[in-house]
Amino acid sequence: GAVVSQHPSWVICKSGTSVKIECRSLDFQATTMFWYRQFPKQSLMLMATSNEGSKATYEQGVEKDKFLINHASLTLSTLTVTSAHPEDSSFYICSAFSRAGGTEAFFGQGTRLTVV
Amino acid sequence: GESVGLHLPTLSVQEGDNSIINCAYSNSASDYFIWYKQESGKGPQFIIDIRSNMDKRQGQRVTVLLNKTVKHLSLQIAATQPGDSAVYFCAETNNKLIFGAGTRLAVHP
Repeated sequence: GAVVSQHPSWVICKSGTSVKIECRSLDFQATTMFWYRQFPKQSLMLMATSNEGSKATYEQGVEKDKFLINHASLTLSTLTVTSAHPEDSSFYICSAFSRAGGTEAFFGQGTRLTVV
Repeated sequence: GESVGLHLPTLSVQEGDNSIINCAYSNSASDYFIWYKQESGKGPQFIIDIRSNMDKRQGQRVTVLLNKTVKHLSLQIAATQPGDSAVYFCAETNNKLIFGAGTRLAVHP
């Protein structure tokens, strides 16, 4: 099946610094990628929808200036958490839709972000 | 707002029994419904999906049922195995992929 690679799998950073998370579709072209945030024992909360070559669409309550999303190519989307604070600590997951895959979304392995 | 929710937060079953995980949704405009399995520390894994114009779809050991009248979705797992222990999410798509609250399935030997 299609593979989505998310990197890094975990990161620890200091408060005030920025962290970039990459999401790559390895064997297919993804016109749309979704970014999610997941707190322990909770569901995945959609943060934004990223379309190749256009600005991301953010969900209500998600600060676009804090969570910068770039989808520069059909195989790469990045999420940058700017000026991270401890409350940003969470599990971040990306998902990519394959052009030929209908509605099946392929997920990355997730990134565990800890801000200290 | 629109949401997808679950009736049961946890489900414990004996190995070999059948499992049924339920989900309620509210967006009647959703065109696809999907079940995912998530193991600890990993991303969701696709299990099975169903179009809104269908009411049943079967896979290997899994069956998804859709009742649009009451906006209800269920996942049936036959002969549940210890490897099925995980959190299961339903999700709906209509330009976005929205997840429900999740049900933890615990399989006991």
